Amino acid sequence: EAGVAQSPRYKIIEKRQSVAFWCNPISGHATLYWYQQILGQGPKLLIQFQNNGVVDDSQLPKDRFSAERLKGVDSTLKIQPAKLEDSAVYLCASSLTDSGREPQHFGDGTRLSIL
Amino acid sequence: LAKTTQPISMDSYEGQEVNITCSHNNIATNDYITWYQQFPSQGPRFIIQGYKTKVTNEVASLFIPADRKSSTLSLPRVSLSDTAVYYCLPLRAGNNRKLIWGLGTSLAVNP
Repeated sequence: EAGVAQSPRYKIIEKRQSVAFWCNPISGHATLYWYQQILGQGPKLLIQFQNNGVVDDSQLPKDRFSAERLKGVDSTLKIQPAKLEDSAVYLCASSLTDSGREPQHFGDGTRLSIL
Repeated sequence: LAKTTQPISMDSYEGQEVNITCSHNNIATNDYITWYQQFPSQGPRFIIQGYKTKVTNEVASLFIPADRKSSTLSLPRVSLSDTAVYYCLPLRAGNNRKLIWGLGTSLAVNP
């Protein structure tokens, strides 16, 4: 079974620029998550999709972050404009359902550096 | 939402058994204890999950006492490749929202 695919693997931009990350979940997984992981901390949930609908985006900074999951498969996360504090690894995960007990399968993330 | 407390770091040597304890005093009745492992430059990976008593798989064992206020992840005979950060999380059946990850336990296995 192919895992969660993310791209790019690394991205370096200057503050106030925009950036987008792409995620392809495991085939058949209805639930998709985007996390932000700052160095030395645990992942922080930004947004959760169930198919193509948003389940939880309470921790997404909506003034600069946006995410979509068209057709309930691939997803993109965008930051516009970026701030220095956005430097982090952005992880995408998927699970078969949102039952809570279903393990989340993670991609290896996109490491974002803001100059 | 149940808050968890784990040691920030642990050291061990190859071949030893490592036990990482997590406390979750206000765990809810329908929460399952789930452990993830994260290597540098990789996303977290599911290790094991349990509700109470003992669960064992090919990677680890999980011990949960009757009061469920703590759990212990046991890694038998660790190797250098077990050096990673280990996260303990209460997961609620039917509701994965506002999942809060702590700092985890950074395990260093020495030769």
